[in-house]
Parts: sequence; structure tokens; C-alpha cells
Amino acid sequence: NAGVTQTPKFRILKIGQSMTLQCAQDMNHNYMYWYRQDPGMGLKLIYYSVGAGITDKGEVPNGYNVSRSTTEDFPLRLELAAPSQTSVYFCASSGGTATTPVNYEQYFGPGTRLTVT
Amino acid sequence: AQSVAQPEDQVNVAEGNPLTVKCTYSVSGNPYLFWYVQYPNRGLQFLLKYITGDNLVKGSYGFEAEFNKSQTSFHLKKPSALVSDSALYFCAVRSSGGYQKVTFGTGTKLQVIP
Repeated sequence: NAGVTQTPKFRILKIGQSMTLQCAQDMNHNYMYWYRQDPGMGLKLIYYSVGAGITDKGEVPNGYNVSRSTTEDFPLRLELAAPSQTSVYFCASSGGTATTPVNYEQYFGPGTRLTVT
Repeated sequence: AQSVAQPEDQVNVAEGNPLTVKCTYSVSGNPYLFWYVQYPNRGLQFLLKYITGDNLVKGSYGFEAEFNKSQTSFHLKKPSALVSDSALYFCAVRSSGGYQKVTFGTGTKLQVIP
């Protein structure tokens, strides 16, 4: 049971480039989330999903897009990267399965450290 | 709007001494409260939660937290600190019922001094 996995671990992008951050979970969780963590700012929610085919915006969605074609995968797409998107990105998932219908604590991946120059 | 306040950016404590990391919250309705720990270059790890019931909840690694509804607080505690407890600690809150957004505090760095 790998939990939540994220790739890549590190990436440097030039301004205007695009990339996809990958996230997968093997816990059959319905809920998945993308956060960014900036120093001293805690975590800000970018997008979330309550199940395959359903996504919604969080607090800071501008410049990002997501899709959720399967329960396991929740990729985050950055279009036209900007220096303001330099951050550490965390994917997380939480319950809401047939055996765990309630949605309590979140399980986090190891993060992707992204630098845009 | 819901919010979480962690008033101390850093807490220093000597090894073997009790530690407290403070958290206060604001939320509509009944709160679900969480503590997470983050070690350097790692993701957040769940420590404990309060959903309902006993105000004192116990979690991983000997940590516990006390829910105080009148003071809207959920302080994290441990009777005897270890050097290995040094990390960044986040308090989080959400409202009960269905899907509700979770709000995280800005984190408190715990430094345990040998």
C-alpha cells in the first residue's frame, strides 16, 4: 500500500512553459485535493475532487487545471508557468469509500518542489 | 468564514519537558479538528483528530489534544518532549457534514533542545 504518490519530486520551469504534476492514491478514496505550500503561509487549496469526473475550485485556482478520470489519479496542470507559481505542491486524499463513507483526515503525498524562473 | 490561528511561529522546549502547541479556531456549526506534523522535505502526516465525544483525544507518538468548546481551542500536548518531535505542526478545522473545506493554520515550528 503506497498511499499517495507524486511525481516529479523536483522541477524547474521557465516562464511560460507548461507541465503536469502527477498524483495517484491506492486507498480507493473518493476525495482528492491539491494544495500549495508557501513559507509561513500554511496550505492553500488549489482544486479538489469528490469523485471521478467531479472537480471544483479551491482558494487559489488561477493558473491551474485538474481532471479526475479515475478514482486513483488526480493530475494538476500548470499552463503558462509564472514565478508566482514557485512553491511546494502537495496532493492529498481522504475517505469516502464504500467501507469508510465519512471523510475525515487527509493523507498527503511527499510533495513536488517547483521553481519557475 | 472559518479560520485557524496558531499564535506562535516557534515553540522551544527542553527534552523531557512537557510541550504545548496552541491552536484556536472559528467555524460555523460543530467543528472537526485535526493536527498534522510535517518533517523537513516531507508531506504532512496525520496525528490526531476531534470529531465528537471525549474532549481529550490521543494520537500518534504520545501526542494528545484537548478540545475546549468555550475557548474555541484545540491545543496539542505531550507530557515529555523528544528531540525527534522537532518538526512543523499544523492545526486544521472543518465544519461537520458532507464535504466541507478544511482550513489549515500557518504552522508552528517545534524545536526540542537536547
